[in-house]
Amino acid sequence: AQKVTQAQTEISVVEKEDVTLDCVYETRDTTYYLFWYKQPPSGELVFLIRRNSFDEQNEISGRYSWNFQKSTSSFNFTITASQVVDSAVYFCALSEARDNFNKFYFGSGTKLNVKP
Amino acid sequence: EAGVTQSPTHLIKTRGQQATLRCSPISGHTSVYWYQQALGLGLQFLLWYDEGEERNRGNFPPRFSGRQFPNYSSELNVNALELEDSALYLCASSLGLAGSSEQFFGPGTRLTVL
Repeated sequence: AQKVTQAQTEISVVEKEDVTLDCVYETRDTTYYLFWYKQPPSGELVFLIRRNSFDEQNEISGRYSWNFQKSTSSFNFTITASQVVDSAVYFCALSEARDNFNKFYFGSGTKLNVKP
Repeated sequence: EAGVTQSPTHLIKTRGQQATLRCSPISGHTSVYWYQQALGLGLQFLLWYDEGEERNRGNFPPRFSGRQFPNYSSELNVNALELEDSALYLCASSLGLAGSSEQFFGPGTRLTVL
């Protein structure tokens, strides 16, 4: 079974629209970390955020915000007022205490196309 | 500060050959991770090296192997190449306990098996 599911394969929006990327995870550990990475066309993954399982506070960083809900095992990512430069593939990832947090499970990614 | 570097950028091999991919971590990072990103399959965890030792590996056959050198750089070797090994191979480094610090990724090596 997939540990991290990103059901949206590809999303297209027009610039300035808000967009939410979904991430659902599966783990039996009570201690784990969740991550979001951005992969622009150049290919190099860029770290966006890390959240541990004990911190359910939502986080906002500029136009980016994250909604962590343990009750639904979801860690969704919202981009407000999207821009063309946001076009990329976005990956959600999980690391678990059972692996000493050193084995990352990535979702299959969501490709975001932001059109001008 | 230099980021994670990988070489070569592109590699073309034929079935049955061996491929060697190289990775240099960020200075001061002791952990190196290898991932395979095949088309449409996201990132699959391959291997984790720390302090010269293989610490963990993903669900890949033994023909995927590697090593970490005393300077913490790493090699990924893929023997008896198969067509489905064609993918982008990403290397990442971290300070150690990756879960408590992010992994920094290199630009990747695109391996094409003909």
